[in-house]
Amino acid sequence: DAGVIQSPRHEVTEMGQEVTLRCKPISGHDYLFWYRQTMMRGLELLIYFNNNVPIDDSGMPEDRFSAKMPNASFSTLKIQPSEPRDSAVYFCASSSGRGGYTGELFFGEGSRLTVL
Amino acid sequence: SQKIEQNSEALNIQEGKTATLTCNYTNYSPAYLQWYRQDPGRGPVFLLLIRENEKEKRKERLKVTFDTTLKQSLFHITASQPADSATYLCAPCIGGSYIPTFGRGTSLIVHP
Repeated sequence: DAGVIQSPRHEVTEMGQEVTLRCKPISGHDYLFWYRQTMMRGLELLIYFNNNVPIDDSGMPEDRFSAKMPNASFSTLKIQPSEPRDSAVYFCASSSGRGGYTGELFFGEGSRLTVL
Repeated sequence: SQKIEQNSEALNIQEGKTATLTCNYTNYSPAYLQWYRQDPGRGPVFLLLIRENEKEKRKERLKVTFDTTLKQSLFHITASQPADSATYLCAPCIGGSYIPTFGRGTSLIVHP
């Protein structure tokens, strides 16, 4: 398997610009997660999907953040407008609920976002 | 509020020794608890899962304990090697959805 694929790996943008992060989960996985990691706050769950449906978005910091999963093989996390405090590494992860869900996550390599 | 505590200070040990990392949690009753390894610039990688009715779990040189009374998990690496140097994240899984909630991790440095 190719693993979870994220793009871009690095993004540098200016405050106010729109940022779109992309994720391709592992084929056959029915859960998809977006996490954000900073030194101060560690790894925080932003939102997760089950069978392409958003289940819990309570971790999304504010309305500037939105996430979609139009099909089982693709998800986006959008920030509009971006702010310097959004600078972080954003991780996408997927997992399978088959055989009983135990929450083992497979992470991508992350998208490092810098907002100037 | 719910809280997960892992040592913020790096753990430095000599090669060949056993490394022990601690994870304490409050206001949780996790059904499972997971441990992940994260290398610099990489995503976390799943290592082990232990269930609330298991006291101990082993995998090769790794051992995890889970004390639901103390609300604590210990993660041990025996015969440690420099290649074990990384950050180790504890992740209790709570609620009906069992979604992992991560601690901030402890950095382990194994000196040759």
